Amino acid sequence: DAKTTQPNSMESNEEEPVHLPCNHSTISGTDYIHWYRQLPSQGPEYVIHGLTSNVNNRMASLAIAEDRKSSTLILHRATLRDAAVYYCILEKGYGGSQGNLIFGKGTKLSVKP
Amino acid sequence: NAGVMQNPRHLVRRRGQEARLRCSPMKGHSHVYWYRQLPEEGLKFMVYLQKENIIDESGMPKERFSAEFPKEGPSILRIQQVVRGDSAAYFCASSPIRTTDTQYFGPGTRLTVL
Repeated sequence: DAKTTQPNSMESNEEEPVHLPCNHSTISGTDYIHWYRQLPSQGPEYVIHGLTSNVNNRMASLAIAEDRKSSTLILHRATLRDAAVYYCILEKGYGGSQGNLIFGKGTKLSVKP
Repeated sequence: NAGVMQNPRHLVRRRGQEARLRCSPMKGHSHVYWYRQLPEEGLKFMVYLQKENIIDESGMPKERFSAEFPKEGPSILRIQQVVRGDSAAYFCASSPIRTTDTQYFGPGTRLTVL
């Protein structure tokens, strides 16, 4: 399975944008890029996913490099509630996956008031 | 639409006892996944089930652990003869279809083995 690399931790100030990087240099053509986050003492929560084009939803934006070897999760205005561990996960497209998600250590985001 | 439900939220067992963890997927979801999270670690996949079928159990320990998802009722993760190393948070997720689809996670069951 293709591997992702994320910084162990990042800090942000409240109300400022946050850019969370993820490297996935061995990504294959059918791998989807998923982001989940896990707030303290809770189950993971889906944030966003994409294949090739940049994606936006109400929670965040996902910017995918042209060669797809890296991506960036963008929180446009961090709030204290965004403090969590953020996981970047590659998931094979339909027909190529067993369905399970492979979680790494993720990036622990701290948000300062 | 209620989310994924897990119970109990906290479970304490003594070594050698059995632990039964239950997961009710979101309405309309027929795919269930179990993950385990040891303290200070990321989640590790255990097993993937559809109704009455185990699709992938590559992450399940070979002994003492079993899972089922019957036609009626919740999915059950069963751990026999628990040991202290089984202490962890166990999360269940569900999805309507397999792959590329969002997995919705429950709040987890925190198992403590004394």
